[in-house]
Formats: sequence, structure tokens, C-alpha cells
Amino acid sequence: GDSVTQMEGPVTLSEEAFLTINCTYTATGYPSLFWYVQYPGEGLQLLLKATKADDKGSNKGFEATYRKETTSFHLEKGSVQVSDSAVYFCALTGAGYQKVTFGTGTKLQVIP
Amino acid sequence: EAGVVQSPRYKIIEKKQPVAFWCNPISGHNTLYWYRQNLGQGPELLIRYENEEAVDDSQLPKDRFSAERLKGVDSTLKIQPAELGDSAVYLCASSSSGGTGIEKLFFGSGTQLSVL
Repeated sequence: GDSVTQMEGPVTLSEEAFLTINCTYTATGYPSLFWYVQYPGEGLQLLLKATKADDKGSNKGFEATYRKETTSFHLEKGSVQVSDSAVYFCALTGAGYQKVTFGTGTKLQVIP
Repeated sequence: EAGVVQSPRYKIIEKKQPVAFWCNPISGHNTLYWYRQNLGQGPELLIRYENEEAVDDSQLPKDRFSAERLKGVDSTLKIQPAELGDSAVYLCASSSSGGTGIEKLFFGSGTQLSVL
């Protein structure tokens, strides 16, 4: 079945540091890929998505590129802020099906 | 526009007691999901509704869990009887139907259940 593997956290960075959170997936066909974010005390919300190979999703300074050859969708941000502290979930849906499969989440803590 | 509303926010019960969670999705969203999120894990799908029909309940432990979505709007998830291992956050999400599998999910804040 479909699965998502994320790098384990927590990840602690200083403000303005570069962020990479690794995500790889296993799926049949051509899944759509997502990053969801969960800020403290809030529900999960979509951060960005990509629906086909080589697509780049971007939002709030975060980017992720759909790499079919390496089955990866790594999340990056050039300069993190304290307000980016949250748990980040990589996720996918199989083509034509609305079930979303989530990774285990990576907690990011940004210190001033 | 109101988001996905869940209640209660927290629930503490003793094992073997029943418990129910309620969800009101975003108006007009045909698809409703219940997920369970264990501590330090990602959400896992329990059941998915298209309108009032449960189209995927393969991960729902049917011996103790039940769900309903009368009239295709609000939904209730019930556990009877609860076990210690049911302690988790129960998340409700909704999306507009489109059939392409890329619709954005909107999540509620969840119900944190503690079974003592």
C-alpha cells in the first residue's frame, strides 16, 4: 500500500537558518503530494502541494519539488523564522482517490 | 467562513465507558473524514464519507467503533466500550468532492481523548 517516510525530529534551528525536511514515498501510479503543517494548538492545514512529476509547490517561503525518479518531496525554506515552529507532515493521495496517507510528522523548533 | 468544528475539545473517561465525538464540516463539503492521531504519529484514516455514504471504513475497528453521517452533513464517531489504547486525538476533516484526489483537506482542531 501507499506509504510516506519522513526524517525524524525534532529539528532545532536558529532563526534565519536553512531548512530541509526529507520525505520519500511509496505509491502505485502517480500520486499527488502534500505538505501539511500543524502549529501549536491548531488543526492541520495545507502548506503546499504538487500533482505531477517536476512540479514545485510553494507557499510562505517554503518549497518542495515532486521528484519521481527519487520518489521524494523534500520541504525546504531558505530562512526560517520563530513563527515557523510547528509539526510538518508529508502526505500523498493515490491518483483518483481521496484517501490521504500521512507521514509521522517532523517537529521543527526555531530558536531566536 | 466557519471552518471544521469539532467537539468536545478534550475528553477524559474511564475504560469500558462509551464516548462520542461530533463534527460539523465546512458548508458544502461532501466528503468527510475521521482520522486518529496517536502521540508522535501522523493521522490515520478511520472512515471516509461521500455525502451520507461510508465509502471507506476498512480501518475502522467495527467491534467497538461506529460512525454516522445523517443527512450528509454533521457526523458522529462513537467508541463503546473504550479501551486504554484508544487514547489519541480524533480529527475530523472535510473537502469538496471532485474525484481527482487532489482536493485540499480542511481539518478541525480535534478531540483529545484520554482513557484512564
